[in-house]
Amino acid sequence: AQSVTQPDIHITVSEGASLELRCNYSYGATPYLFWYVQSPGQGLQLLLKYFSGDTLVQGIKGFEAEFKRSQSSFNLRKPSVHWSDAAEYFCAVGAVAAGNKLTFGGGTRVLVKP
Amino acid sequence: GAVVSQHPSRVICKSGTSVKIECRSLDFQATTMFWYRQFPKQSLMLMATSNEGSKATYEQGVEKDKFLINHASLTLSTLTVTSAHPEDSSFYICSAIGRNTEAFFGQGTRLTVV
Repeated sequence: AQSVTQPDIHITVSEGASLELRCNYSYGATPYLFWYVQSPGQGLQLLLKYFSGDTLVQGIKGFEAEFKRSQSSFNLRKPSVHWSDAAEYFCAVGAVAAGNKLTFGGGTRVLVKP
Repeated sequence: GAVVSQHPSRVICKSGTSVKIECRSLDFQATTMFWYRQFPKQSLMLMATSNEGSKATYEQGVEKDKFLINHASLTLSTLTVTSAHPEDSSFYICSAIGRNTEAFFGQGTRLTVV
């Protein structure tokens, strides 16, 4: 079975500072990995995804993530956060072998201080 | 990116009544649609997987007679919460997958049962 862990429930960061959100996954084969962002009362927006190839993935809104197989991690980073980045972030894992079902981590709420 | 429309965005109903939520893929044919439930400040939990023209596959612990899923076409899936109770109040989100295995999410439906 696949599982995802986001160790940090809350992160507070100052505007302009860098941000890193941790994600660890468990799956027998190489999964598909995703990062989504959710604003309050809204659906999910895809930030980026990893299927194969280059392990450093660029996404929208200046986000990037690095797949590290040896650490079973897919951490999300942004060099300089903006107040509009305050939201809930979810890491997810999926696999064709699992019928493309996504398993989500518990989420990390990001608060941005002025 | 592809668009998934979910309707209604908010609904309030009385205990004992049924509520139908629609999920439409607007510009692509969805081979598979998923229904998730999200409690406040929690992650998304997969409820069921639906494939066009076949019965939905429910996750363990999800009552299939209470949460009826119909996937009548490649662009529409519906979730009906039957005989709703206050504990069914939640945020329900659908996602649709096309040929490239990427999941696109609807904006969610906030259900409140009074």
